Amino acid sequence: DAGITQSPRHKVTETGTPVTLRCHQTENHRYMYWYRQDPGHGLRLIHYSYGVKDTDKGEVSDGYSVSRSKTEDFLLTLESATSSQTSVYFCAISDTGGTDTQYFGPGTRLTVL
Amino acid sequence: AQSVAQPEDQVNVAEGNPLTVKCTYSVSGNPYLFWYVQYPNRGLQFLLKYITGDNLVKGSYGFEAEFNKSQTSFHLKKPSALVSDSALYFCAVSPTGNQFYFGTGTSLTVIP
Repeated sequence: DAGITQSPRHKVTETGTPVTLRCHQTENHRYMYWYRQDPGHGLRLIHYSYGVKDTDKGEVSDGYSVSRSKTEDFLLTLESATSSQTSVYFCAISDTGGTDTQYFGPGTRLTVL
Repeated sequence: AQSVAQPEDQVNVAEGNPLTVKCTYSVSGNPYLFWYVQYPNRGLQFLLKYITGDNLVKGSYGFEAEFNKSQTSFHLKKPSALVSDSALYFCAVSPTGNQFYFGTGTSLTVIP
């Protein structure tokens, strides 16, 4: 999976607790993305980053925040997790953005009880 | 609003037969188009992309896709299906160059 790791791989948490997911890359790619995958919805973009400290919202950003203080790390935070955020979360990277191939991490399965 | 449609949730095809997985899109401008494949409990893997040029794009594992601008379609094809092609397939478009929109996915089953 192209030098991308996600941690944790599985997490069970309770409603109202904060959760942070980490994506780490060793490819030195400029762009990083966070998606969620849900049955019937495919993949939906949450946030993306086009450089250190440069981030922007995707189509389902409500309830999520991100940070990128280093090229290799992109963090996704759920400030107060809700059951509707139960999903599989994928990180992806690309070198030059929209014309470029995205490489995906292995995913994090998050369950909010 | 930007959207990508994969009208078939499930496609079944016999091994050795040709396969088609359909994708249509509704986005502004001239989008970039992609196909990805997902095997169980794995992340998505790139198959092919259309940026510009020849409408027939060839990709990994013998797959190809045909871009049709007038029908706003980008159907994935393979001349002879293998059992190992069984997986979940996603079409994606990038209208702006930064954001991507994915279809809901099509589950392909190749029957031996």
